[in-house]
Amino acid sequence: SQELEQSPQSLIVQEGKNLTINCTSSKTLYGLYWYKQKYGEGLIFLMMLQKGGEEKSHEKITAKLDEKKQQSSLHITASQPSHAGIYLCGADDAGTALIFGKGTTLSVSS
Amino acid sequence: DVKVTQSSRYLVKRTGEKVFLECVQDMDHENMFWYRQDPGLGLRLIYFSYDVKMKEKGDIPEGYSVSREKKERFSLILESASTNQTSMYLCASWGLAGEQYFGPGTRLTVT
Repeated sequence: SQELEQSPQSLIVQEGKNLTINCTSSKTLYGLYWYKQKYGEGLIFLMMLQKGGEEKSHEKITAKLDEKKQQSSLHITASQPSHAGIYLCGADDAGTALIFGKGTTLSVSS
Repeated sequence: DVKVTQSSRYLVKRTGEKVFLECVQDMDHENMFWYRQDPGLGLRLIYFSYDVKMKEKGDIPEGYSVSREKKERFSLILESASTNQTSMYLCASWGLAGEQYFGPGTRLTVT
């Protein structure tokens, strides 16, 4: 079965710094989703990537899917305290449901 | 805006009680899902449904059942709650464009 590995598990960055979170799949990705979660709350949909080489941006967050469609990265530019939370990647598991990585916890210090 | 709502944000139940967690979506989505989220284990799929009265087991269905009598509503049932079912429960619905939207979650504690 497909597995998603996220790295790093946790990250502490100073406000204003850039950062990258990676998501690697054991199989080809047919749909890759990025979510953000505040502690104790639901998941907020950020972006969905489907094509090899695809890149999407929303405000200061950019997500990319590599050409081989086995790795995705989430890049935050000039981090702010509002970016703090848990970032999860999810993959379309043969059109049935999503499977998820274990998440990356981001803390932003001011 | 897609809206997925869950009946309770926090719930405390006793061992052996029957527990109902309800989820409602307002976007006419066919597919709905129930996950649980635990520290170190991430999100795990319990059950999902592609249509009214239709259900499929996910990765961890034991101890749970579901009901989908109307398209917009997907209920998760714990027939006899146990302490190992203490968890965060998340409902989601899946739009035609592929995006999956989540509810705010229900933090269930079974004592």
